[in-house]
Amino acid sequence: GEDVEQSLFLSVREGDSSVINCTYTDSSSTYLYWYKQEPGAGLQLLTYIFSNMDMKQDQRLTVLLNKKDKHLSLRIADTQTGDSAIYFCAESIAGNMLTFGGGTRLMVKP
Amino acid sequence: GAVVSQHPSWVICKSGTSVKIECRSLDFQATTMFWYRQFPKQSLMLMATSNEGSKATYEQGVEKDKFLINHASLTLSTLTVTSAHPEDSSFYICSARRVAGSPLHFGNGTRLTVT
Repeated sequence: GEDVEQSLFLSVREGDSSVINCTYTDSSSTYLYWYKQEPGAGLQLLTYIFSNMDMKQDQRLTVLLNKKDKHLSLRIADTQTGDSAIYFCAESIAGNMLTFGGGTRLMVKP
Repeated sequence: GAVVSQHPSWVICKSGTSVKIECRSLDFQATTMFWYRQFPKQSLMLMATSNEGSKATYEQGVEKDKFLINHASLTLSTLTVTSAHPEDSSFYICSARRVAGSPLHFGNGTRLTVT
């Protein structure tokens, strides 16, 4: 079955880099996603990576995928207080529904 | 692009009444919409998958007669919580995608409080 796991909490100082990690179990994943959820809001798609890619960079965001270890990470450069939120990784298999991790709460200290 | 609008943002209702939540894809046609429920400080739990023009597919443990889903057009899906009870109080979030394999885009969620 599918299982996506994330650490619960990460605290960083403003200006530092944040790295949020995620592991998944299903090797047939086609896409892997990172979503951001601010308090009381829905999920905002940050970025996604196709399973045949190793890395994707989009401005301050860098996604690394280690398919052998089934490990996905999201690096946020120059983290700002506005980046404080819950970050969910998710996998989809053959374009079907997403399986979400439990979310990582990122706290950015000024 | 890829904006999903969910309405209302929050609703308070009395026990026994029904509440309808709308999910609209504003700038794309969504062949599939998904309804999720999120409890405080928890991840999202998929309730049902809704394909335009057909009956929704409900996840195990979700009562289809309690959570009525209609997906009558490619831009609108509705979730009706019938005879709501306090334990139905939760954050409900919809999402939509153009076609299989395309990313999911989420609405801003509806916070339902049943008194």
